[in-house]
Amino acid sequence: RKEVEQDPGPFNVPEGATVAFNCTYSNSASQSFFWYRQDCRKEPKLLMSVYSSGNEDGRFTAQLNRASQYISLLIRDSKLSDSATYLCAVNSLDTGRRALTFGSGTRLQVQP
Amino acid sequence: ETGVTQSPTHLIKTRGQQVTLRCSSQSGHNTVSWYQQALGQGPQFIFQYYREEENGRGNFPPRFSGLQFPNYSSELNVNALELDDSALYLCASSPSTGSNEQFFGPGTRLTVL
Repeated sequence: RKEVEQDPGPFNVPEGATVAFNCTYSNSASQSFFWYRQDCRKEPKLLMSVYSSGNEDGRFTAQLNRASQYISLLIRDSKLSDSATYLCAVNSLDTGRRALTFGSGTRLQVQP
Repeated sequence: ETGVTQSPTHLIKTRGQQVTLRCSSQSGHNTVSWYQQALGQGPQFIFQYYREEENGRGNFPPRFSGLQFPNYSSELNVNALELDDSALYLCASSPSTGSNEQFFGPGTRLTVL
């Protein structure tokens, strides 16, 4: 089993739709969680950190469920420019270092 | 832009050769991590440097080695290149304390023929 798993998609949604992605992690010692956005052949860009109480940044909402060991990303009112691959990343305290373990990404295609 | 720079942008090598990739971290960040990203996969952690010392390593063979310099810039060296080493190599910097957020440079795309 992979340490961090994501549905690869693609998720094809119309403009204006709401879409949600989940990401599960296996290491219960995980302490920090992030969503990154990656455009084709570009580097990952930090979209948002995920806090225990959940957090929102404009149209984007991130949630953490420690009991079930998953994080989620909700995108409201999807824009064409949201089309990208969304990577979740997890840092685990027991590794003793601040390295991130990434999922393979979920591809989102927003259609006009 | 994150302020993290990498060079070169692209590189083509042949099997058995050696390569050095370079990274300059964001101002104020003294931790640099290197990742390998194969097509269709998420980035895989290679190793991390903090204050010029290796601070953890992923499942990569010893022919992957690195350095960090006093100005916190870093190098990734790969010896005896193999075809499977073809990937996007990403450098990420993070601040010394607090957040575990990491900020990536644009990457170096390595092709091994």
